[in-house]
Amino acid sequence: GAVVSQHPSRVICKSGTSVKIECRSLDFQATTMFWYRQFPKQSLMLMATSNEGSKATYEQGVEKDKFLINHASLTLSTLTVTSAHPEDSSFYICSARDRTGASYNEQFFGPGTRLTVL
Amino acid sequence: AQSVSQHNHHVILSEAASLELGCNYSYGGTVNLFWYVQYPGQHLQLLLKYFSGDPLVKGIKGFEAEFIKSKFSFNLRKPSVQWSDTAEYFCAVNAGTYKYIFGTGTRLKVLA
Repeated sequence: GAVVSQHPSRVICKSGTSVKIECRSLDFQATTMFWYRQFPKQSLMLMATSNEGSKATYEQGVEKDKFLINHASLTLSTLTVTSAHPEDSSFYICSARDRTGASYNEQFFGPGTRLTVL
Repeated sequence: AQSVSQHNHHVILSEAASLELGCNYSYGGTVNLFWYVQYPGQHLQLLLKYFSGDPLVKGIKGFEAEFIKSKFSFNLRKPSVQWSDTAEYFCAVNAGTYKYIFGTGTRLKVLA
């Protein structure tokens, strides 16, 4: 149980285009999802917290207009990188929290999406 | 501000050696603690977690960790490492909110 998927696993795009990454909780309802960014050989940095049916909460320094987050259902959150630039190239990881489960404080992580902007 | 420190950034061991990776956090209240492993080119996998109860937690692949509240520590141990344990290890803390704070990671290389 508690499986989180991400799509796509890898994406290469041209500078200036927008890229959408999907995060799905497959066997539980996730009222809260999280988006992280991981640069090569570095740790995970929380970008934003996504709550179903409401606006995402962004961490300090994260541009909300550049990283659009939508959490329209209890099993799906999307991250759209708008007008992507090479410096946006990174590994994006989502996680989901199963509020109703015994591990309600635990996050379950997706496999990540590697974005390369040319 | 809450923080998580992993003091060992790079560790190199020979097979069969014992492993201990340090993790310290700064938060005075109730915490949930996690260790994750990330194999090269792969995603995060949960090794073990501590929510409450026995401070000695056993996880997968022969790993264990001990929560010492007085030292604000949650060190990861394995008595005998294998070449396949080569990976990056992250400590994470959930303190007061449902957000995770990750340590900077420890890159372990095990020599065959």
